[in-house]
Amino acid sequence: EAGVTQSPTHLIKTRGQQATLRCSPISGHTSVYWYQQALGLGLQFLLWYDEGEERNRGNFPPRFSGRQFPNYSSELNVNALELEDSALYLCASSNYNEQFFGPGTRLTVL
Amino acid sequence: QQQVKQSPQSLIVQKGGISIINCAYENTAFDYFPWYQQFPGKGPALLIAIRPDVSEKKEGRFTISFNKSAKQFSLHIMDSQPGDSATYFCAASRVGNYQLIWGAGTKLIIKP
Repeated sequence: EAGVTQSPTHLIKTRGQQATLRCSPISGHTSVYWYQQALGLGLQFLLWYDEGEERNRGNFPPRFSGRQFPNYSSELNVNALELEDSALYLCASSNYNEQFFGPGTRLTVL
Repeated sequence: QQQVKQSPQSLIVQKGGISIINCAYENTAFDYFPWYQQFPGKGPALLIAIRPDVSEKKEGRFTISFNKSAKQFSLHIMDSQPGDSATYFCAASRVGNYQLIWGAGTKLIIKP
């Protein structure tokens, strides 16, 4: 069974640009979670999508947005990038309680 | 009420020793308590989980102890090995809501 996949692995952008990160969940999972993890720090909850709907969002500005497609894959968009957006962005999929994480996208904002 | 407080922030243990990480919560509606392990550059992975109907769950060298009255749960790693060096996160979720509320993480270093 294939795990959660994320693309790209690394992304380098300059301040003010937009970034798009993608996530494909495990087959059969309908929920996708997005997290931001700054270097050496904890998991900051960004967004939760389930069955195509946004179920909850964390304490992040509106320039962080996303969507979930009919095949349950998901996209995270970050507009007007700031230097402090540099982090590892993790996607997790789940059907119930257990979350399965992808390898992450390392976003660097210069 | 939604928080999960994890301690310590970092922990150094000698090889062969016992590593203990603690978490506390306030929301009595929480009914699922997992521990995740994360190696550098990787996503977290589920290590072990417990529900409030049991006070302890053991899987190999890893044990969760759960104290419902104190609203605390802890991870014990017996015979700690250098390969256990990682960041550990506790989490909790409540009935009817599968979103996990995460602790801040503990960086564990096992010294050879």
